[in-house]
Amino acid sequence: DAGVIQSPRHEVTEMGQEVTLRCKPISGHDYLFWYRQTMMRGLELLIYFNNNVPIDDSGMPEDRFSAKMPNASFSTLKIQPSEPRDSAVYFCASRDRGSGNTIYFGEGSWLTVV
Amino acid sequence: GQNIDQPTEMTATEGAIVQINCTYQTSGFNGLFWYQQHAGEAPTFLSYNVLDGLEEKGRFSSFLSRSKGYSYLLLKELQMKDSASYLCAVRFDGSSNTGKLIFGQGTTLQVKP
Repeated sequence: DAGVIQSPRHEVTEMGQEVTLRCKPISGHDYLFWYRQTMMRGLELLIYFNNNVPIDDSGMPEDRFSAKMPNASFSTLKIQPSEPRDSAVYFCASRDRGSGNTIYFGEGSWLTVV
Repeated sequence: GQNIDQPTEMTATEGAIVQINCTYQTSGFNGLFWYQQHAGEAPTFLSYNVLDGLEEKGRFSSFLSRSKGYSYLLLKELQMKDSASYLCAVRFDGSSNTGKLIFGQGTTLQVKP
């Protein structure tokens, strides 16, 4: 299995620009999570989906952040407009409820907003 | 909210044993995980506990006490490659949001020769 695939791996963008992060979960997994990691705040849960439906988005910082999951094999996290404080590593993770409880992380998208 | 507490940093010597503690809020608890994260990499799964007791997996063991809201990760025969951040994560299930996995801040372990 290819694992959770995220793109881009690294992005540097200017403040005010739109940023779109992409994720392909492991095939067959029915849960998808978006996390953000910073030195100050650690690994924060932003939003998660079950069977493509958003279950809990209480961790989304503000209206500038939005996430979609149009089908079982693709999700996006969008920041518009981006700000320097959004600089972080954004991880996507997926889980198969049927075969266990472990979630598997992608390699992360390293975002720098200047 | 769901609070998870673990020490920020620990130092240990190669070949020794180290115990990393984690405490959490018990409401809605449905499982505890330990993940390892090397600098610049993604977290990787180490262990999972849902019932009280000790789970052993090679050099790593994890313990859970649900009544006390407490877990620890035990690393034996430490190796230099064990230098990493260790993340405690708890699954909370509510009436409207099952499967929510929340992470602690992580414990950075430095193994010295």
